[in-house]
Amino acid sequence: AQKITQTQPGMFVQEKEAVTLDCTYDTSDPSYGLFWYKQPSSGEMIFLIYQGSYDQQNATEGRYSLNFQKARKSANLVISASQLGDSAMYFCAMREGRYTGGFKTIFGAGTRLFVKA
Amino acid sequence: ETGVTQTPRHLVMGMTNKKSLKCEQHLGHNAMYWYKQSAKKPLELMFVYSLEERVENNSVPSRFSPECPNSSHLFLHLHTLQPEDSALYLCASSQEVQGAYGYTFGSGTRLTVV
Repeated sequence: AQKITQTQPGMFVQEKEAVTLDCTYDTSDPSYGLFWYKQPSSGEMIFLIYQGSYDQQNATEGRYSLNFQKARKSANLVISASQLGDSAMYFCAMREGRYTGGFKTIFGAGTRLFVKA
Repeated sequence: ETGVTQTPRHLVMGMTNKKSLKCEQHLGHNAMYWYKQSAKKPLELMFVYSLEERVENNSVPSRFSPECPNSSHLFLHLHTLQPEDSALYLCASSQEVQGAYGYTFGSGTRLTVV
């Protein structure tokens, strides 16, 4: 069965520093996708970054990068040069099946990030 | 305005009421989803519609009834809810056929059952 684990309920980071949010997953399907979402206090979930299980390189999107360690089943999110607007909940998510049938995306419990000025 | 619009943003209803949540996506996506977000719990998938066909999470009580009249609209009909159903209900859409892309979420409906 699929499982996503985020072990950090809350994290603090100083503005302009980098921060790593941890995510581990478990699946028996060799084909899967990993996602990170941001949820500000407004409630809307914002898609940040995607990593496919067959992708050779770690995904990057601007200040976001995904540290994908397949053997360890970890998909940590790295935010560089933190900004005050990065304060939010961050969710790691996984979906099995790359192209079809993989409609069930499961989410971790989330990590609350606080950026300090 | 986001690509996925949910109305209403807030809803307070009694346990005997009947109400509906509405979701509309303007992105041309072919899959739509309802998620429930309760305090201190992971997001729970409730229902999935792909190409207007329902793939359902069997653990959802029958007091929640989804409807997808077309690929752009998704409803969640509510009746005789319980206080524990109070939560943020999030709608999302995605383009499934072309691969594992992220979802686009709406802003959610904050539901309070009294």
